[in-house]
Parts: sequence; structure tokens; C-alpha cells
Amino acid sequence: KQEVTQIPAALSVPEGENLVLNCSFTDSAIYNLQWFRQDPGKGLTSLLLIQSSQREQTSGRLNASLDKSSGRSTLYIAASQPGDSATYLCAVVLGGSQGNLIFGKGTKLSVKP
Amino acid sequence: ETGVTQSPTHLIKTRGQQVTLRCSSQSGHNTVSWYQQALGQGPQFIFQYYREEENGRGNFPPRFSGLQFPNYSSELNVNALELDDSALYLCASSFERSSYEQYFGPGTRLTVT
Repeated sequence: KQEVTQIPAALSVPEGENLVLNCSFTDSAIYNLQWFRQDPGKGLTSLLLIQSSQREQTSGRLNASLDKSSGRSTLYIAASQPGDSATYLCAVVLGGSQGNLIFGKGTKLSVKP
Repeated sequence: ETGVTQSPTHLIKTRGQQVTLRCSSQSGHNTVSWYQQALGQGPQFIFQYYREEENGRGNFPPRFSGLQFPNYSSELNVNALELDDSALYLCASSFERSSYEQYFGPGTRLTVT
């Protein structure tokens, strides 16, 4: 059974810091991995999608890497801002599945001005 | 391009009642998935509809049922509501089942009293 774990559960940093959020998964036979952002009580906003054949994706200040063999992904946020405060979720789609996302519990990020 | 929309935003029901939640998929998307997110947890997969047919189901009882219409919009029905059904219900759409990025709606907050 695929399990997705995110560490740390919560993180508080001063504005301007570069930071890394971690995601690990137990079954390396994934189809893709997606990082999401969730503001309190709101839906999910897709940040980055990495196909299983890719090693990383970048969008603005965000960079996500994928190492399938070790079952790990990291989300790197450069020059953090208070507006980055949110919960960040990673999710995988298992190869051969119907395409449902399997989520971690998320990392709650707080960026202090 | 219209994003994923959900209705209603919030609702309060009594234990034992039935509820219907609605989702309009993003333009051009033929796959809709439903997720339940309890407080402090990652979303859990309920089921997926692809071209009007149920394409997969998570570990949810039969009192959770759904429909997808020819325009690819979808409904989630929950019968005999229980207190533990209180959660944020999220709908996600994609072009195909597993290969493409999934886009989420804002969610429906259901409270069962």
C-alpha cells in the first residue's frame, strides 16, 4: 500500500529564507507526483507536476525534484515571502492505477515578516 | 477557460439525512475525482468518473455514490449521514485519468450535527 509522508509537519521561517519541504513515498512505481498549496479552508492549487520520467520542474521561485528510486521529492522555495504561508501537500499517482492521487498530510508553512 | 467550480460552498446537515454536492469540471476535462479531507489530514480518494462511468473507488462505503453527466459535471451523494462525514469535499478534474495534471475546485464544507 502506497504511503506518502511529509516532513516536517509544520515549519516557521523568517521572510527571505530559502527552504525545503520533503515528501517521501513507499512505492516507487509512481506515474507522476504533484505538489499543491492549500490556504486555510480552501481548495488545492496545483504548483508543480513531475512525470515519473522527469527529475525536476521549476516555476518561478519554486523548484521540485523527484528521485523515484529513493522514493523522495523535495519542494524548494527560494526567497520566501509572507504570502507563501499555507499548507503544502504532495501527492502521487501510482502506475497502473485509475489515476487517483494519494496524499501526504502536508507541511504547514508560516513565513514571518 | 473556466476552472473547476463546486456548490454549495458550505452546508449543515443532521445525522441520518442525505446530501448532494455538485462539481463542474474545467472546460475540456473528461475525468472527475472526488476527495474527502478531514481537518488536519490530506485528502482521501472517494471515487473517480471517466466519461460518465465510475472508474475506481477508494475505501468508502456504498452510501457514498456519484454520477457524471454528458457535459462531464458530477454529483456526489451521501446517504445516512454520520458525524464523521463532516469534512471538506473536494472535486478535481483532468483531461485523462492518470496522465495529466489534476485541478481542484474550492471545495464544499459539510458539517453534520
